[in-house]
Amino acid sequence: GEDVEQSLFLSVREGDSSVINCTYTDSSSTYLYWYKQEPGAGLQLLTYIFSNMDMKQDQRLTVLLNKKDKHLSLRIADTQTGDSAIYFCAETALEGGKLIFGQGTELSVKP
Amino acid sequence: DVKVTQSSRYLVKRTGEKVFLECVQDMDHENMFWYRQDPGLGLRLIYFSYDVKMKEKGDIPEGYSVSREKKERFSLILESASTNQTSMYLCASSLPLGFEQYFGPGTRLTVT
Repeated sequence: GEDVEQSLFLSVREGDSSVINCTYTDSSSTYLYWYKQEPGAGLQLLTYIFSNMDMKQDQRLTVLLNKKDKHLSLRIADTQTGDSAIYFCAETALEGGKLIFGQGTELSVKP
Repeated sequence: DVKVTQSSRYLVKRTGEKVFLECVQDMDHENMFWYRQDPGLGLRLIYFSYDVKMKEKGDIPEGYSVSREKKERFSLILESASTNQTSMYLCASSLPLGFEQYFGPGTRLTVT
């Protein structure tokens, strides 16, 4: 079945860039997402990319998609302590369909 | 502002009890989902519903059932709670062709 993989932990210093990586197996993925979960809260959509795109930039966030290698990354520029959270990669083949989530990467930002 | 609410933030139940987790959304969304979240495993889909009185099994439906009698409400039922169902439970909703799922704050269930 479909699978989405992420590393579990990432630690960076405040002001550095963070890069969170994700690989997926479903070649029919249409939408790929990054969700953020702050401590004690539910998930919130951070950004997304359609499978026909290679890159998407939104302020401090850059999403890169390598469809050939089925690799997705999220770069956070100038990482702040408020960016400390768990980041989930997810994909779906259908609009409104079920999402397949990765394990989540816990980002720790040290001052 | 979109809102998904869950009936409890924390719940402690005993083994064998019947447990109801309630989720309500105020966005008139057709689709609703129940996930459980465990460290190192991410979110796994338990059940989902595309319309009132409709339900579909997700990846880990064993030991759970659901009820959707009204569009805005989706209930997750643990018929006989077991310790391996101790987890964080997250509810979400979306439009039929919407790509974003909106999540509730979660219910942390402990079964002793």
